[in-house]
Amino acid sequence: DTGVSQNPRHKITKRGQNVTFRCDPISEHNRLYWYRQTLGQGPEFLTYFQNEAQLEKSRLLSDRFSAERPKGSFSTLEIQRTEQGDSAMYLCASSNSGGPRETQYFGPGTRLLVL
Amino acid sequence: AQSVTQLDSQVPVFEEAPVELRCNYSSSVSVYLFWYVQYPNQGLQLLLKYLSGSTLVKGINGFEAEFNKSQTSFHLRKPSVHISDTAEYFCAVSDMRGTASKLTFGTGTRLQVTL
Repeated sequence: DTGVSQNPRHKITKRGQNVTFRCDPISEHNRLYWYRQTLGQGPEFLTYFQNEAQLEKSRLLSDRFSAERPKGSFSTLEIQRTEQGDSAMYLCASSNSGGPRETQYFGPGTRLLVL
Repeated sequence: AQSVTQLDSQVPVFEEAPVELRCNYSSSVSVYLFWYVQYPNQGLQLLLKYLSGSTLVKGINGFEAEFNKSQTSFHLRKPSVHISDTAEYFCAVSDMRGTASKLTFGTGTRLQVTL
């Protein structure tokens, strides 16, 4: 079990640029979640996938955000035309199915700074 | 919709002293309850969770939490803390009814253990 990995760990970009983050879940996990954590706040749910299907998106996920999980394995989160308000830690979590026994395992996060 | 309140943003405590981190939640439906810990530059790690049954839940690293339905609380306790317990602690809930176990987090409590 190598855990959930996220790349890059840090990203600095200028306002208006596009950025893409990658999440590699634990290999046998079929669910994958994205959360955003701003300074001094807890993580907030953005979206989740069951295999390759994106089943739910939060209202926090504006049109500039898009997430994919093309083969039901790794996932990417892209932010277009970044704004300073996008600066945050982006966390990925994976789990094996849903229901009460589900435990989400979190990656170390990607910290984004938009200048 | 659910919400989670962690009233204490920071809790300083001496090593070997007991500690309680408070968590209150609000929800119109039944929820599952979780405590996660986040060490610096790391992802969130599950400490313990309450699904049903006994209201006293034991977790890893000597932590335990008690679910109190009438007070809508799920406080985290440890009888004797160690320096290595210094971290950010997040209380979270998930909706029992939903198909996704998306988590709603509190704002976190920073536990600072000193000698």
